[in-house]
Amino acid sequence: DIQMTQSPSSLSASVGDRVTLTCRASQAIRNSLVWYQQKPGKAPKLLVYAASRLESGVPSRFSGGGSETDYTLTIASLQPEDFATYFCQQYHSAPHTFGQGTKVEVK
Amino acid sequence: QLQLQESGPGLVKPSETLSLTCTVSGGSINTNTYYWAWIRQPPGKGLEWIGSIYYSGTTFYNPSLKSRVTISIDTSRNQFSLNLGSVTATDTAVYFCARQVINPYLDGFDIWGQGTAVTVSS
Repeated sequence: DIQMTQSPSSLSASVGDRVTLTCRASQAIRNSLVWYQQKPGKAPKLLVYAASRLESGVPSRFSGGGSETDYTLTIASLQPEDFATYFCQQYHSAPHTFGQGTKVEVK
Repeated sequence: QLQLQESGPGLVKPSETLSLTCTVSGGSINTNTYYWAWIRQPPGKGLEWIGSIYYSGTTFYNPSLKSRVTISIDTSRNQFSLNLGSVTATDTAVYFCARQVINPYLDGFDIWGQGTAVTVSS
């Protein structure tokens, strides 16, 4: 299985901050990466797919990037509703595997 | 709009079978456009894909769970189900059902149920 490692496991930030989350795959996954946002007690929400394509309806302050094994999710200007946990998921090869998540907390 | 809702017991005894159903509303499950998936999240941990099913009944399972998992589909009821046998405490988790999109750009889960918490305990 491809292992997905997210860093940091948590971070503290303020409204308006630029925040970058990282996801590293144990082997190259050719941009076959999804980012999800999850709020407490809620289902995950798909934000970005194919590493950099924004899902319909997702604010443009979110952007994804990266290649090979290293990928990022950037929030250009953190908003109050963005405090949540973010997961990455690879779909390059079965089984789909997820990272352990990065929790974005209020500073 | 499409909605998914999980249902089933919240408490299962060790060694027994966990059975959950996902009811899809606002759209048909009998479509060749999507797969239908089960995903779980142990308390305080990350997500684990359990398996997926196509409208035709074709299934794909996570190898780590394959020996214990059965996913089935009932297109007449617009439902799909999960059976996980021989459960232990490590199967305690929130179980989500989800719609799985597969196209040239994406193989991921775009619509999710709210999740149902299942505890394995005697």
